[in-house]
This record gives sequence, structure tokens and C-alpha cells, in this order.
Amino acid sequence: AQSVTQLGSHVSVSEGALVLLRCNYSSSVPPYLFWYVQYPNQGLQLLLKYTTGATLVKGINGFEAEFKKSETSFHLTKPSAHMSDAAEYFCAVRSSTKLVFGAGTILRVKS
Amino acid sequence: GAVVSQHPSRVICKSGTSVKIECRSLDFQATTMFWYRQFPKQSLMLMATSNEGSKATYEQGVEKDKFLINHASLTLSTLTVTSAHPEDSSFYICSARSGGTDTQYFGPGTRLTVL
Repeated sequence: AQSVTQLGSHVSVSEGALVLLRCNYSSSVPPYLFWYVQYPNQGLQLLLKYTTGATLVKGINGFEAEFKKSETSFHLTKPSAHMSDAAEYFCAVRSSTKLVFGAGTILRVKS
Repeated sequence: GAVVSQHPSRVICKSGTSVKIECRSLDFQATTMFWYRQFPKQSLMLMATSNEGSKATYEQGVEKDKFLINHASLTLSTLTVTSAHPEDSSFYICSARSGGTDTQYFGPGTRLTVL
């Protein structure tokens, strides 16, 4: 069965600093991986996804993630944090027709 | 594109009443819709998967007679929480996917509070 582990339930960065949110997955088949962002009291918005092909995936709002099969990782990065990036981020892996989500990481951006 | 709406966004009801939540795909046909539940400070837990025109598939531990799901058209799915109790208070989120794609598009969620 597929599963996702997000390291760090809370991450705090200064505005302008690098954002790194960690995600490791377990999958018995080539994984399809996703990052979603959730703002308070809202649904989830797709940031980016990896299915096949290029392992470095660029998404919206300046985020990108790199699929590393050898490390079973799909970490999310952004070179320079903005205050508006403060939200909760979920990594997910496709399992059959479903998505299996990690526990989420709350990103705090300090001014 | 790929917008999913939910209605209502917030509902407060008395214990014992039933509440219906609608999920609509506004600009695409959703062959599959998913219903999730999210408790405070927790991740999303899949409740059920519904395909247009067929019965929903419920996850283990989810009472199908309590959480009635109908997916009557390619743009609308409904979740009815029957005889709601305070422990059903939660944030309910739907998502929709069109056939042949891997991406789920999420609605904004419905906050249910049962008094």
C-alpha cells in the first residue's frame, strides 16, 4: 500500500528565505505524487504534480519539487518565501484511484 | 478551469437533523468524485468514492447509511449526513476528477457544526 510521510508538522522561515518541505513516500508501483496547499477554512489547491518524465517539477507560486526515486522523496522547495505562502501543505501519492495524504506541514513565514 | 464548488460553505444544525452538502464541478465533467473529512489539525481522510451513475464505494469504518452519497450527474454529487450528532462536526471536502486524468480538484469545503 502506498503511504506518505511528511517530516515536520511545523516549519518556520523568514520572509525571503528558502522554503523546504519534506515528503517521503512508499509505493509498490511507480508513484504519482502531488503537493497541495490549504489556506485556513478552504479546500486544497494543487501546487504541482509528478507523474512521469522530468523529475524536477515546477508548480504555481514559484514552488517546485524534485522526484528522487533512490531516496523515495518528493520535497517541495521555493527559493524565497513570501508572507502569502503561510498555509498548510500536503503531500499525496496516488494509490489506485485514490489519493493518500501525508499529515501536512504548516508553514509559517516571519517578517 | 477545473473549478469545484461546494454548498453550503458553513452549516449549523441541531442534533438529529439531516444535512445535505452539494459538490459541483463547474467547468468539466467529473466522472469520479471523492468525499473527505478533515478534523482540526489533521489530514484529509477519504470517506468515499463515487462514480457517476453508480453506487459509492465507502472506506472502511465509514457508515454508508449515515453518510449518503449520490452522484446523479457528471457535475453534481451530494453528501447527506443523516441524523447528525455532535461527533459528526467536521470540515467536509469534496474533490472531482475527470476521466483519464490523475488530478483531483478540490472544493472549498463545508464546515458542519452539530449542536
